[in-house]
Amino acid sequence: QSALTQPASVSGSPGQSITISCTGTNSNIGIYNIVSWYQQHPGKAPKLIIYEVSKRPSGVSDRFSGSKSGNTASLTISGLQAEDEADYYCCSYARSGTPVVFAGVLFGGGTELTV
Amino acid sequence: QVQLQESGPGLMRPSQTLSLTCSVSGVSISSGGHYWNWIRQRPGKGLEWIGYISYKGSTSYNPSLKSRVSISVDTSNKEFSLKLSSVTAADTAVYYCARDPGYCTTSSCPDWYFDLWGRGTRVTVSS
Repeated sequence: QSALTQPASVSGSPGQSITISCTGTNSNIGIYNIVSWYQQHPGKAPKLIIYEVSKRPSGVSDRFSGSKSGNTASLTISGLQAEDEADYYCCSYARSGTPVVFAGVLFGGGTELTV
Repeated sequence: QVQLQESGPGLMRPSQTLSLTCSVSGVSISSGGHYWNWIRQRPGKGLEWIGYISYKGSTSYNPSLKSRVSISVDTSNKEFSLKLSSVTAADTAVYYCARDPGYCTTSSCPDWYFDLWGRGTRVTVSS
């Protein structure tokens, strides 16, 4: 199973909005609404910011939003702040093969956000 | 407050078996309905799911690692463990334990997302 595809880096100015894409296939993002996003600051553990495509855990700012269209999921961060500078990873449930060869989650390669 | 804490050897030699433990506090491993996962992050690379053990003791592993991986739980000591055999330099990584909440709100169970993570433990495989 190949990892999901994310841009290596994106950048934006404070107050702006940015969108990070995550491209998969019809074995993962395309058919399952089980997409999550994680924020990781240097030297820290990942933190869940979006689950089930567009839901936010309690305590996560509403500046973070998620969506999906076809085989591509997206994370949008509005009103960029300096503290948003971090790496962002998408994740999707994936299942393939008959009989099943893979059933689990795949992660994207990560996107470095510079504010 | 639920917390996860990994512990492990730090440095290993090739061909050895890696053993890591995740201590869980603030919730029961066996009765909370959660799924307990191991995820790793190799240097300069993204995250890789290794596998989980459920609150009932069932397991699921990433096929790419399945022949070398075993995850078990010790409910009395409130911890779950990862064993990875025949390690090589390619297994050098930060290893995280993480919780899948197990709410089962979609048609699948587990939920396949990770709402709580340990701080990670770095493992280096070198001769």
